[in-house]
Amino acid sequence: DQQVKQNSPSLSVQEGRISILNCDYTNSMFDYFLWYKKYPAEGPTFLISISSIKDKNEDGRFTVFLNKSAKHLSLHIVPSQPGDSAVYFCAASARGGSYIPTFGRGTSLIVHP
Amino acid sequence: DAGVIQSPRHEVTEMGQEVTLRCKPISGHNSLFWYRQTMMRGLELLIYFNNNVPIDDSGMPEDRFSAKMPNASFSTLKIQPSEPRDSAVYFCASSTGINNSPLHFGNGTRLTVT
Repeated sequence: DQQVKQNSPSLSVQEGRISILNCDYTNSMFDYFLWYKKYPAEGPTFLISISSIKDKNEDGRFTVFLNKSAKHLSLHIVPSQPGDSAVYFCAASARGGSYIPTFGRGTSLIVHP
Repeated sequence: DAGVIQSPRHEVTEMGQEVTLRCKPISGHNSLFWYRQTMMRGLELLIYFNNNVPIDDSGMPEDRFSAKMPNASFSTLKIQPSEPRDSAVYFCASSTGINNSPLHFGNGTRLTVT
């Protein structure tokens, strides 16, 4: 039973367009959400996060949106660049879980030049 | 900052052999995590330590798996005996231990058990 779900294993986008990666969660106790980015043969690196008291957080080309009622979050990358091609992991944590993140299976993003 | 260092990068072993994976966390980080990545299950937490003490090992799949953290700068994950289904990429990560502080991952050990 996956508590954090990334239902799209892969996404292909043209350079310059918007990339939208989606994530759903089932545990209503989750109150902090993170996105990690992973290149081949490397470990995941932290990208951006959002607290449940917010519905949007922006950092440069990256914006995360949170819809608590739908238990859904999304990562928007605009404009997409070929260097953004990587696997993106959604993660969620809860105070009751000692803030240890639970990860989704990841979405592989390919940005075509 | 050298980051989290894992060794070896690749390990190929035969079924039944003992495997030891090693991790050096970032200096000053109080929490250390071992994750396993597979196609089927994604990134799953095996165990985490806080101040060198194991806090939650409920993710350790079987008694064949054990982890230690003898000091703040070193941890091991041991599989004995290893089985083909243990083949995966094993990641070590560390964090400051402050609530919601992001994890810093090593580059992983790709384990293949034949």
